[in-house]
Amino acid sequence: GNSVTQMEGPVTLSEEAFLTINCTYTATGYPSLFWYVQYPGEGLQLLLKATKADDKGSNKGFEATYRKETTSFHLEKGSVQVSDSAVYFCALRGSNFGNEKLTFGTGTRLTIIP
Amino acid sequence: DAGVIQSPRHEVTEMGQEVTLRCKPISGHDYLFWYRQTMMRGLELLIYFNNNVPIDDSGMPEDRFSAKMPNASFSTLKIQPSEPRDSAVYFCASSATGIQNTEAFFGQGTRLTVV
Repeated sequence: GNSVTQMEGPVTLSEEAFLTINCTYTATGYPSLFWYVQYPGEGLQLLLKATKADDKGSNKGFEATYRKETTSFHLEKGSVQVSDSAVYFCALRGSNFGNEKLTFGTGTRLTIIP
Repeated sequence: DAGVIQSPRHEVTEMGQEVTLRCKPISGHDYLFWYRQTMMRGLELLIYFNNNVPIDDSGMPEDRFSAKMPNASFSTLKIQPSEPRDSAVYFCASSATGIQNTEAFFGQGTRLTVV
């Protein structure tokens, strides 16, 4: 079945540091890939997505590229802010009928120190 | 649209009682997902529906759990009888069909505490 392996946390960085959170996946067919963010006490919010190989998703300074050859979708940001502190989830969604569920990684807790 | 709406936001109940969680998906969405989030197990898919029909309920932990979607604008997740290990945050999410609409939109969740 489909699966997502995500970099273990927690991750603590200083403000303006470079961020990378690794994510790799296993899936059949051509899944769509996502990064979701969860702030304390809230639901998951879509951060960015990519629906086919070599697509780059971007939002709020975050970027991730769908790499089919390495089955990866690493999240990056050039300069993090305190407000980026949250839990980040990598996810995939299958493209075949009966396999459209969203499969999530374990989540990475990110803390940014001023 | 107001987004995915879940109720109640918080529920505290005694062991053995019946609990019903409610979800109103985004209008026009034809997929609905129920997830459970705990510290130990992370995010687990319990069940999902397409056009009100359950497609995959393999994540439903036990017969004590049941989910229904009587129409396109409403779904329930019921636990009967509830147990302390059911304490978690339960999320409902919905999405539309189409390659450009593959993301799911989540509700704020229901925090369930069974004492």
